[in-house]
Amino acid sequence: EAGVTQFPSHSVIEKGQTVTLRCDPISGHDNLYWYRRVMGKEIKFLLHFVKESKQDESGMPNNRFLAERTGGTYSTLKVQPAELEDSGVYFCASSRRLGRDNEQFFGPGTRLTVL
Amino acid sequence: QQQVKQSPQSLIVQKGGISIINCAYENTAFDYFPWYQQFPGKGPALLIAIRPDVSEKKEGRFTISFNKSAKQFSLHIMDSQPGDSATYFCAARPYNFNKFYFGSGTKLNVKP
Repeated sequence: EAGVTQFPSHSVIEKGQTVTLRCDPISGHDNLYWYRRVMGKEIKFLLHFVKESKQDESGMPNNRFLAERTGGTYSTLKVQPAELEDSGVYFCASSRRLGRDNEQFFGPGTRLTVL
Repeated sequence: QQQVKQSPQSLIVQKGGISIINCAYENTAFDYFPWYQQFPGKGPALLIAIRPDVSEKKEGRFTISFNKSAKQFSLHIMDSQPGDSATYFCAARPYNFNKFYFGSGTKLNVKP
């Protein structure tokens, strides 16, 4: 079974530019999560999709971030315009179930550097 | 504010030694406490997890100790090996949510 994949693995952009990150969850996993780790700090939750619907977007930093999951398969996270503080590693995770048996499988992450 | 506090930030252990990483939390709604292991270039992977109704869980060389009254839990790696060198994250999840709150990570280096 293929794991969670993320593209690109690295992205370096200038402040003010737009970047789109992509996540492909494990096949059959309805739940998809985005997390972010900034500068060696904790991994922070951004949002949670159930299929194509946003279940919880309480961790989204501001309206410069837009997440979509059209058709309930892959997801994109767009940052527009990017700011210096957006630099970090963006992780995507997916899970088949919710609740007590909710094991989340993480992708390798996208390292975003905003100059 | 950070909901799960993890220490130490980095740890160097000799091969065969015991590695101990500690985490503390305040939110009594947390009911699931996993530890994740992350190797360079890879995503965090579930290592071992515990629920608050038990005080200890052991899987091979890895043990979680859980102190509900103190709101603390720790990971013990017995007979540490160079292959255990990785970053370890503790995490917690509230019973009514599906998102995890992570600690800031501990970079473990096991010297041969």
